[in-house]
Amino acid sequence: RKEVEQDPGPFNVPEGATVAFNCTYSNSASQSFFWYRQDCRKEPKLLMSVYSSGNEDGRFTAQLNRASQYISLLIRDSKLSDSATYLCVVKDTGRRALTFGSGTRLQVQP
Amino acid sequence: SAVISQKPSRDICQRGTSLTIQCQVDSQVTMMFWYRQQPGQSLTLIATANQGSEATYESGFVIDKFPISRPNLTFSTLTVSNMSPEDSSIYLCSVGGESLTYEQYFGPGTRLTVT
Repeated sequence: RKEVEQDPGPFNVPEGATVAFNCTYSNSASQSFFWYRQDCRKEPKLLMSVYSSGNEDGRFTAQLNRASQYISLLIRDSKLSDSATYLCVVKDTGRRALTFGSGTRLQVQP
Repeated sequence: SAVISQKPSRDICQRGTSLTIQCQVDSQVTMMFWYRQQPGQSLTLIATANQGSEATYESGFVIDKFPISRPNLTFSTLTVSNMSPEDSSIYLCSVGGESLTYEQYFGPGTRLTVT
């Protein structure tokens, strides 16, 4: 079983749609959680951290369920510029390196 | 934030040869990380490079194949040795994990093709 699992997609949605990505992780001792964004042929960049209380940044909402070991990302009012691969990322206790999911590709269409 | 540069940005190499990738950071950092991203795949950690000590390799990666140097707090190299087509990948240098947010920053990557 992979340490971090994501639906690979692709998710093809029209502009203005709301889309949700899910992610599960296997290590119950995982400490920190993130969503990174990777554009085609570019390096990954941090989109947002994920907190137990849930957090929102503009059109983006991230939630964490530690009991179910489940992370989600909701994007409202999708823009063409949101098209990218979204990586679910976990940091385990005692490690500084990150563990990446395989990524979910989003294509927002006009 | 950290600004990271990598050299070369891309290369095409023949099987059996070796390539050394350089990573330069604009500030001093304790740890540097080397990741690999194979075509259509996500990132896999190769090793963690600490200044003044041997690099720590992840399962499936060995020092003979991927020797790493870390001569100071702003620089590291990764060598891909005795290359085969299976080594064709993007190699990314990363720093971070030291702030409260644990954010990691990535270099632009080195796109390697082995023929």
